[in-house]
Amino acid sequence: EAQVTQNPRYLITVTGKKLTVTCSQNMNHEYMSWYRQDPGLGLRQIYYSMNVEVTDKGDVPEGYKVSRKEKRNFPLILESPSPNQTSLYFCASSLVAGGSYNEQFFGPGTRLTVL
Amino acid sequence: LAKTTQPISMDSYEGQEVNITCSHNNIATNDYITWYQQFPSQGPRFIIQGYKTKVTNEVASLFIPADRKSSTLSLPRVSLSDTAVYYCLVGAGLNAGNMLTFGGGTRLMVKP
Repeated sequence: EAQVTQNPRYLITVTGKKLTVTCSQNMNHEYMSWYRQDPGLGLRQIYYSMNVEVTDKGDVPEGYKVSRKEKRNFPLILESPSPNQTSLYFCASSLVAGGSYNEQFFGPGTRLTVL
Repeated sequence: LAKTTQPISMDSYEGQEVNITCSHNNIATNDYITWYQQFPSQGPRFIIQGYKTKVTNEVASLFIPADRKSSTLSLPRVSLSDTAVYYCLVGAGLNAGNMLTFGGGTRLMVKP
């Protein structure tokens, strides 16, 4: 089944404790992205990757890191989480082809709480 | 990036047609218009995409006037399961290096 998976789905942690949220897609997509969703603010893009070893900042990259060493994986790293990073996080992927605006496939989400 | 403006919320009843309009006054020549649907605690799901005139698929229609400064998502005969948030996005394509910006979306409530 074609899908985007994220782990963990739920995480409660404390300020300053490094964490990684994994994202994996099995559709051979070139484009991957991370979003956070907060009440009243909609979805905001954190980082995106056009392909392996190519990443770029989105709207709200502060406090986050990403890497794209393999095509299928795009982990989100919080080196020193803070309470303002408490949010619902979504990973997405898309097959980049041509010039049209491609359909993105979203993962199930990771609900992160930083105490 | 073209900014989009949508109504914050809409109410409808089962069986009615729902039209959600999105304004994008500064849309660029190579921008496409895409709509996503999101249920609570789930990731958004692609509904439809278009460039001009009318596009129809099995779940919705998208109407885009000649000036492309707005677009209307039309959901025929909605059911309770269509209660969700609908997002309008405008952009030139992922391989153009554009960031993807979701606005606040329109919260559609379908009542029995």
